[in-house]
Amino acid sequence: GAVVSQHPSRVICKSGTSVKIECRSLDFQATTMFWYRQFPKQSLMLMATSNEGSKATYEQGVEKDKFLINHASLTLSTLTVTSAHPEDSSFYICSARGRRALSYEQYFGPGTRLTVT
Amino acid sequence: AQTVTQSQPEMSVQEAETVTLSCTYDTSESDYYLFWYKQPPSRQMILVIRQEAYKQQNATENRFSVNFQKAAKSFSLKISDSQLGDAAMYFCAYRPLGGANSKLTFGKGITLSVRP
Repeated sequence: GAVVSQHPSRVICKSGTSVKIECRSLDFQATTMFWYRQFPKQSLMLMATSNEGSKATYEQGVEKDKFLINHASLTLSTLTVTSAHPEDSSFYICSARGRRALSYEQYFGPGTRLTVT
Repeated sequence: AQTVTQSQPEMSVQEAETVTLSCTYDTSESDYYLFWYKQPPSRQMILVIRQEAYKQQNATENRFSVNFQKAAKSFSLKISDSQLGDAAMYFCAYRPLGGANSKLTFGKGITLSVRP
């Protein structure tokens, strides 16, 4: 199957700083990318959906000014957590669908563990 | 809105035995996809099996099979000959046919442990 990478896999940042997480589709063009947040032992919560070259669509309750999503190319999407606070500590997962993907195909990155101190 | 319910938070199975994980969902759509995903301790999401709602035949992938009951909106996963590597969190998920932006709705997940 297709491969999605995320970088970094782990990051620790100080409260009040910003941190950027990259999501890349390595062997296909990702027309749609999804960003999820997951707390320990809980399910994935969709934060936003992005299409290449368009503004992201955020789920209700997700602060778009805090979680900035950019999908500038068909292989790269970034999530920037601005002015991070300890409550933003979580596991963030991206997922992608490709231009020529079968309609059910969606590939997940390995996730990024964010810790805000 | 679609909902996916996994009512059992945890289950345990003896190695080599069979276990069934339950899932129900609610939708007004007639065509959609259902999935089971596995999330091992590495936390990488792995697709275990999928089912297209328009197909009456239950999907099977090696030791994994589903019991899809469309009228009852039930979609259970059976794992045969359980192995230690099957220990993970399992999520049932629903997705409407929609377009490229159609979203996955996940259940709360179930933690499966395998006893040696």
